Amino acid sequence: AQSVAQPEDQVKVAEGNPLTVKCTYSVSGNPYLFWYVQYPNRGLQFLLKYITGDNLVKGSYGFEAEFNKSQTSFHLKKPSALVSDSALYFCAVRAPGAGSYQLTFGKGTKLSVIP
Amino acid sequence: NAGVTQTPKFQVLKTGQSMTLQCAQDMNHNSMYWYRQDPGMGLRLIYYSASEGTTDKGEVPDGYNVSRLKKQNFLLGLESAAPSQTSVYFCASSYSEVTYEQYFGPGTRLTVT
Repeated sequence: AQSVAQPEDQVKVAEGNPLTVKCTYSVSGNPYLFWYVQYPNRGLQFLLKYITGDNLVKGSYGFEAEFNKSQTSFHLKKPSALVSDSALYFCAVRAPGAGSYQLTFGKGTKLSVIP
Repeated sequence: NAGVTQTPKFQVLKTGQSMTLQCAQDMNHNSMYWYRQDPGMGLRLIYYSASEGTTDKGEVPDGYNVSRLKKQNFLLGLESAAPSQTSVYFCASSYSEVTYEQYFGPGTRLTVT
């Protein structure tokens, strides 16, 4: 079975400071990893994904994430946080292979960027 | 492009009533999904459809049924609503089910009293 853990329910950071939202995963084989963001009363929006190749993945709105196979982690990062980054962030994992349809989401991390 | 649209946005049902949540996408995506989101539990997959005419159960299918008669539409039915089905329901679509990201609709907030 595949699973995702987001160990922090909430992260607070000052505007302009770097931010990190943590994610660890468990899956058989090489994982496909995704980050999504959810603003209040909205659906989820895709930020970035890791499928294969370079361990550092760049995505929308200046976000990036680093895949670390030995630590089974896929932390989301941004060099300088904006107040508008305040939202709920979800990490998700899918096992590789045809027929592997289920995308398993973490429980989410609420990011608050303080002006 | 409207992307993924869902109707209705809000719905209140009494226990035992039935209803259908509608989802449409205009991106010519092959795969579609229904999730429910509950506080502190992330998103859980109810049903998915890898392609038109096919459907499969996800993590929490009990009490629901689905229909994918047209490529652009994916319907979620509640035959006899229960208070445990109070949730926010999201539809999503993707080009395929494996490596492609999913695009989400705005959600339907359902309350069962």
